[in-house]
Amino acid sequence: GDSVTQMEGPVTLSEEAFLTINCTYTATGYPSLFWYVQYPGEGLQLLLKATKADDKGSNKGFEATYRKETTSFHLEKGSVQVSDSAVYFCALSVSNTNAGKSTFGDGTTLTVKP
Amino acid sequence: DGGITQSPKYLFRKEGQNVTLSCEQNLNHDAMYWYRQDPGQGLRLIYYSQIVNDFQKGDIAEGYSVSREKKESFPLTVTSAQKNPTAFYLCASGGGRRSRPMNTEAFFGQGTRLTVV
Repeated sequence: GDSVTQMEGPVTLSEEAFLTINCTYTATGYPSLFWYVQYPGEGLQLLLKATKADDKGSNKGFEATYRKETTSFHLEKGSVQVSDSAVYFCALSVSNTNAGKSTFGDGTTLTVKP
Repeated sequence: DGGITQSPKYLFRKEGQNVTLSCEQNLNHDAMYWYRQDPGQGLRLIYYSQIVNDFQKGDIAEGYSVSREKKESFPLTVTSAQKNPTAFYLCASGGGRRSRPMNTEAFFGQGTRLTVV
């Protein structure tokens, strides 16, 4: 079946440090890939997405590139801020008919210290 | 603004009680989903519905029930048969059989935290 494996946390960084959270996947067919962010006590919000190989999703300084050859979708940000502290989930969806029936990774908790 | 509304934000349940969590969306999505999130863990799918009057079990459906009488609403009942119901519950919508192929992401509500007392 489909699966998503993301870097175990927690991750603690100083403000303005470089962030990488690794994500790899296995899937049948041609999945869309996502990064969601969850702030404390809230639901998940879509951070960025990529729907086909070599696409780059970007938002709020975060980027991730859909690498079919390595089945990866690593999340990066050049300079993190305290407000980026949250839990980040990598996910895939294999079709629009089941868009919400995504496969999620276990989440990576990021803490950014001033 | 379009979105998904879950209520209540916090819910307390006594042993042996059934409780119902509300989820309403005005995004015109056909499909809706319920997830359970436990501390430090990912999301596990409880039930989903691709269209009105139809729903399917997810990975952890035992002890839960749902209904889908209206497109906008997908309530979840946590029954007394669910032995460990304390968790954070997330409702989502997105896609469905009539959605466009590029519409593949899910939209989430703010969650309901259920605690057994």
